[in-house]
Amino acid sequence: AQSVAQPEDQVNVAEGNPLTVKCTYSVSGNPYLFWYVQYPNRGLQFLLKYITGDNLVKGSYGFEAEFNKSQTSFHLKKPSALVSDSALYFCAVRDISIIFGKGTRLHILP
Amino acid sequence: NAGVTQTPKFQVLKTGQSMTLQCAQDMNHEYMSWYRQDPGMGLRLIHYSVGAGITDQGEVPNGYNVSRSTTEDFPLRLLSAAPSQTSVYFCASSYNRQGDYGYTFGSGTRLTVV
Repeated sequence: AQSVAQPEDQVNVAEGNPLTVKCTYSVSGNPYLFWYVQYPNRGLQFLLKYITGDNLVKGSYGFEAEFNKSQTSFHLKKPSALVSDSALYFCAVRDISIIFGKGTRLHILP
Repeated sequence: NAGVTQTPKFQVLKTGQSMTLQCAQDMNHEYMSWYRQDPGMGLRLIHYSVGAGITDQGEVPNGYNVSRSTTEDFPLRLLSAAPSQTSVYFCASSYNRQGDYGYTFGSGTRLTVV
């Protein structure tokens, strides 16, 4: 079965610094990967997805994700963090349904 | 375009009471699902539906019932509430179960069972 793992429960980054939220995947066949964000007291919102093609995928709010087949990773990145980026981030993979990771809480420190 | 609407936003129940969490979508999505979110547990799938009249169990279905009489609505029923059902519940919908275009989530229902 397909799965994703988010090795960090929490990531702290100073405002203005680059941020990375890590995700690794395990799939048979070609992966179909997502990132979602959850702001406090809100549902999950779609950020971006990778199907095929360019390994760097651009998404909402200035986020991007880098697909690395050799490392089976799909890390979420942003060049310059904002305090408003503080949220819970979920990596996900498509199987017969979408399978979500356990989430990584991102704290941007002012 | 309202997307996925969940009601109520907050609810407190006594142990043994029953209630229905409402979910409605206006995107003509065939696939709808219910998740619960608990600290450190991520999202766990309760029940899902691939179309009107068709429902199936997810990872944690015990204590919950669903029905899908229309494409738009997918209510979740708690038969006899227990403290272990204290959680935040999310409804999600999509064109298909595989989520080719991703899932659209509602804003959640925070349920406390005392």
